[in-house]
Amino acid sequence: QSALTQPASVSGSPGQSITISCTGTSSDVDDFNYVSWYQHHPGKAPRLMIYEVSNRPSGVSNRFSGSKSGNTASLTISGLQAEDEAHYYCSSYTSNTLVFGGGTKLTVL
Amino acid sequence: EVQVVESGGGLVKPGGSLRLSCVASGFTFTNAWMSWVRQAPGKGLQWVGRIISQLGGGTTDYAAPVKGRFTISRDDSKNTVYLEMNSLKAEDTAIYYCSTHHTATSMIYWGQGTLVTVSS
Repeated sequence: QSALTQPASVSGSPGQSITISCTGTSSDVDDFNYVSWYQHHPGKAPRLMIYEVSNRPSGVSNRFSGSKSGNTASLTISGLQAEDEAHYYCSSYTSNTLVFGGGTKLTVL
Repeated sequence: EVQVVESGGGLVKPGGSLRLSCVASGFTFTNAWMSWVRQAPGKGLQWVGRIISQLGGGTTDYAAPVKGRFTISRDDSKNTVYLEMNSLKAEDTAIYYCSTHHTATSMIYWGQGTLVTVSS
């Protein structure tokens, strides 16, 4: 199973909004509403930010939102803050397994 | 408070074996689905495999690169899940994270990871 495609990096200034895309295929992102997004700071445990395309776990700021159109899912972060700087990974269900994207490095300028 | 703690990492020669352990607490372990996820040096996250609850049948699934070489098992009496790794290759070198599922397809609580290095 090939990894989902994410941009290697995105950047934005504090207070701005950014969107990270995650492109899959008809066998994963397009076929199921089971896309998740994770935030990963180096040296720390990954953190679940979005599950099932657009749902936030308890404790996750509403500045984080998810959506999907066809084979592309998106994570939008509004009101960027310095602590949002991290790597972000999407994942999708496919054929009884999970597949991750290659990850996107978010830089807050 | 939920805690997930991995152990058992280390240096192993190509072709060798290693068993990782993951002890979890702070939630009802018997109901939990558990996954292993790894991150090779300088690379992104890669899902390794998952075991569902015993009540659900204790079924396991694996990513293609490890299928047939890695085995996930659980001991609910010890709140522990294991990752048995055989026929290890250099490309298996990674930090291995244990995680609990929030839904069938998302993981919410993660450990800090344990480093596995496969090298001669």
